[in-house]
Amino acid sequence: DQQVKQNSPSLSVQEGRISILNCDYTNSMFDYFLWYKKYPAEGPTFLISISSIKDKNEDGRFTVFLNKSAKHLSLHIVPSQPGDSAVYFCAASGTGGYQKVTFGTGTKLQVIP
Amino acid sequence: DAGITQSPRHKVTETGTPVTLRCHQTENHRYMYWYRQDPGHGLRLIHYSYGVKDTDKGEVSDGYSVSRSKTEDFLLTLESATSSQTSVYFCAISGTSRHEQFFGPGTRLTVL
Repeated sequence: DQQVKQNSPSLSVQEGRISILNCDYTNSMFDYFLWYKKYPAEGPTFLISISSIKDKNEDGRFTVFLNKSAKHLSLHIVPSQPGDSAVYFCAASGTGGYQKVTFGTGTKLQVIP
Repeated sequence: DAGITQSPRHKVTETGTPVTLRCHQTENHRYMYWYRQDPGHGLRLIHYSYGVKDTDKGEVSDGYSVSRSKTEDFLLTLESATSSQTSVYFCAISGTSRHEQFFGPGTRLTVL
């Protein structure tokens, strides 16, 4: 049962344009969401997060949007750069005590120069 | 960058042999995790630790055991390796938020 879904395994975008990566979740107990970026042969690195009390969080070129009613979040990268080419994982966790983080299957982004 | 190392970085072994992977941190973080990454599955939690000698199972714990005798070290053991355990293994640690995890560089394990 995949509780965090990234339905697009890959995405290609021209340099300078916007990249939009999507993520859907099924568990209504999730209240904290994260995006990680992973280059080949390296471990994932934390990119940006959002709490369920917000609907938007911005950090430089990266913005995460959360639509709780639709159980959907998205990561926007503007403008996209070739160095953004990587696999992006969406992740989610719940409330109360320790809650493990559940990861999606990842979307491979290619930014074409 | 968080101080996390994994050893070995690459290992090839045969079916039925025991294998131990080591994760070492210099951040003194309480929480440590072992994940495996496989195509089409993303990152799946194997085991985690919330303190010295305190561990619990994740979603894919069968065939794996862990130990944490010191804050800085978290060991993952495959008691009898199988080909289905061929994967890339990542260790992670949690900072104070417990949500943002910092990952090690990974260990690529091949079981023949």
